[in-house]
Amino acid sequence: AQKVTQAQTEISVVEKEDVTLDCVYETRDTTYYLFWYKQPPSGELVFLIRRNSFDEQNEISGRYSWNFQKSTSSFNFTITASQVVDSAVYFCALSIIPGYSTLTFGKGTMLLVSP
Amino acid sequence: DSGVTQTPKHLITATGQRVTLRCSPRSGDLSVYWYQQSLDQGLQFLIQYYNGEERAKGNILERFSAQQFPDLHSELNLSSLELGDSALYFCASSAEGVGGGYQETQYFGPGTRLLVL
Repeated sequence: AQKVTQAQTEISVVEKEDVTLDCVYETRDTTYYLFWYKQPPSGELVFLIRRNSFDEQNEISGRYSWNFQKSTSSFNFTITASQVVDSAVYFCALSIIPGYSTLTFGKGTMLLVSP
Repeated sequence: DSGVTQTPKHLITATGQRVTLRCSPRSGDLSVYWYQQSLDQGLQFLIQYYNGEERAKGNILERFSAQQFPDLHSELNLSSLELGDSALYFCASSAEGVGGGYQETQYFGPGTRLLVL
């Protein structure tokens, strides 16, 4: 069975601080996808990134960056120069290849960015 | 906007009742997934349909059922409702087929918030 752990339940930062959200996953499968989704206060789930287990390159998208390390089974998410609009719950998720691509989610990390 | 629509946005009902949640996937997507988000269980996969057929089942109660229609919209039926069924129910869709080595991203609808009183 797969498992995703987001040990940080809640993080509070002040605007312009950098913040890293941790994600550790467990699976016996060698091929899988990892995802990050954002859930703002309005409630919808917004897709942020997908990473294939074969691709360990880090990715940067604007103020967002992701660090995938297979050796530690981690897929961490960093927001640089955080903004109030970044306040949300962030979920890390895992799906197995091959398979029916159902997502196993972590419990989420609530990020509160104050002005 | 993900392109996935869900109705209704909010639903309040009483214990023992039955409700139907509706989902329309993104244009062209054949796969539909249902997830439940509750405070104690977090986000959990319930069931997946692909082009009208059930493909995977997760932690779905026997009181719950779903189907996907020829026009690809899906309905999740919840019956004999209990207080513990109060949750946010998400529908997601993706473009992929089934069981292959490549998986498309799941895009989520805005959710239906169900409150059972």
